Amino acid sequence: GQNIDQPTEMTATEGAIVQINCTYQTSGFNGLFWYQQHAGEAPTFLSYNVLDGLEEKGRFSSFLSRSKGYSYLLLKELQMKDSASYLCAVWAGSYQLTFGKGTKLSVIP
Amino acid sequence: EAQVTQNPRYLITVTGKKLTVTCSQNMNHEYMSWYRQDPGLGLRQIYYSMNVEVTDKGDVPEGYKVSRKEKRNFPLILESPSPNQTSLYFCASSRGWAGASYNEQFFGPGTRLTVL
Repeated sequence: GQNIDQPTEMTATEGAIVQINCTYQTSGFNGLFWYQQHAGEAPTFLSYNVLDGLEEKGRFSSFLSRSKGYSYLLLKELQMKDSASYLCAVWAGSYQLTFGKGTKLSVIP
Repeated sequence: EAQVTQNPRYLITVTGKKLTVTCSQNMNHEYMSWYRQDPGLGLRQIYYSMNVEVTDKGDVPEGYKVSRKEKRNFPLILESPSPNQTSLYFCASSRGWAGASYNEQFFGPGTRLTVL
């Protein structure tokens, strides 16, 4: 089976940096995605990692270590609009994309 | 505009009354998928399709059916809905699956279903 773990909730201050971790145990690995989902809305794509290392995209960066089954999403210069759920998802060794339960991030002034 | 559309957006129905939720994409995507999202459980895949007439079960297929007769459409059918199928449903599509950033999933706006 596939298992993806993320913290349930996190709180951070506007302007700060926050790191959201994701660990996975899957039967195969063909890439890891991060999505953002505001309450009541559809998930939207943030980043993709398939090789070890850091991918940077403006205020957002994502890191992957395949040997450790570990990824993190780094959000810099937090803004109030970053309050959302962040979903880690893995393409395992099949045609299925498996999602973690998501991390609800609250940004406070 | 590239998009995934779902209809209806909101539906309240009663136990046992067959219903269909439509999904359509205009991006010529090969891969389409249905998910349900429940509090504390996250997004769980119901069914997916790699191309026309090719579908397979996801993690929670019981009580659902799908078909892929055309590339752009992937309807979700509940033959006899029950209250435990009350959920938020998302349809999604992607160019392919795995191995590349262009295989990001594009999600529809969601269908909130209540079964009484």
